Amino acid sequence: DTAVSQTPKYLVTQMGNDKSIKCEQNLGHDTMYWYKQDSKKFLKIMFSYNNKELIINETVPNRFSPKSPDKAHLNLHINSLELGDSAVYFCASSQESSGRSEQYFGPGTRLTVT
Amino acid sequence: SQQGEEDPQALSIQEGENATMNCSYKTSINNLQWYRQNSGRGLVHLILIRSNEREKHSGRLRVTLDTSKKSSSLLITASRAADTASYFCATAAGAAGNKLTFGGGTRVLVKP
Repeated sequence: DTAVSQTPKYLVTQMGNDKSIKCEQNLGHDTMYWYKQDSKKFLKIMFSYNNKELIINETVPNRFSPKSPDKAHLNLHINSLELGDSAVYFCASSQESSGRSEQYFGPGTRLTVT
Repeated sequence: SQQGEEDPQALSIQEGENATMNCSYKTSINNLQWYRQNSGRGLVHLILIRSNEREKHSGRLRVTLDTSKKSSSLLITASRAADTASYFCATAAGAAGNKLTFGGGTRVLVKP
């Protein structure tokens, strides 16, 4: 009965490849997010979706494309992977998009680009 | 630069002692949230304090907020080895209120 789940947990791939990370939440939340945590543990928001609609799109290379097929899922597709994309990617969800509620995080996907 | 900056970056204490960490931020906020991250895990929400609140408690946790100084503190009382983790403050601000901006975190080590 995991609240926010991500797959895969670990992803090792070579430069230039295309990969996807999947995220699902079973909390009935309307809003979902993708964050990137770098090697120094800084956590930065990448995207946010509310009811399948993109509401936050930070300065992220357009090689990163989120897709929300329904409000319980938010997947992240990355094209032409680069060494600098190596990081831990966290999915999160919240009840609504106003910022008044806490966010629930998934366990993370550790991406290593070689 | 990060909106929230934690201080200290690392803290080492004995079990039973209190741990205090501070967070400073730059702009007006809607609320400030504290999260815990155990090694290799996702973040877990601890406390949310709104901009019109000054203090909030949850179990052994006490959070204060001083909007005039743009700062917050997290106090963990009677620490346990299981409290060993990184603690992050995050601010929610502006029209995109759900956009949390995280600080760099405080790594807390509680020695048994």
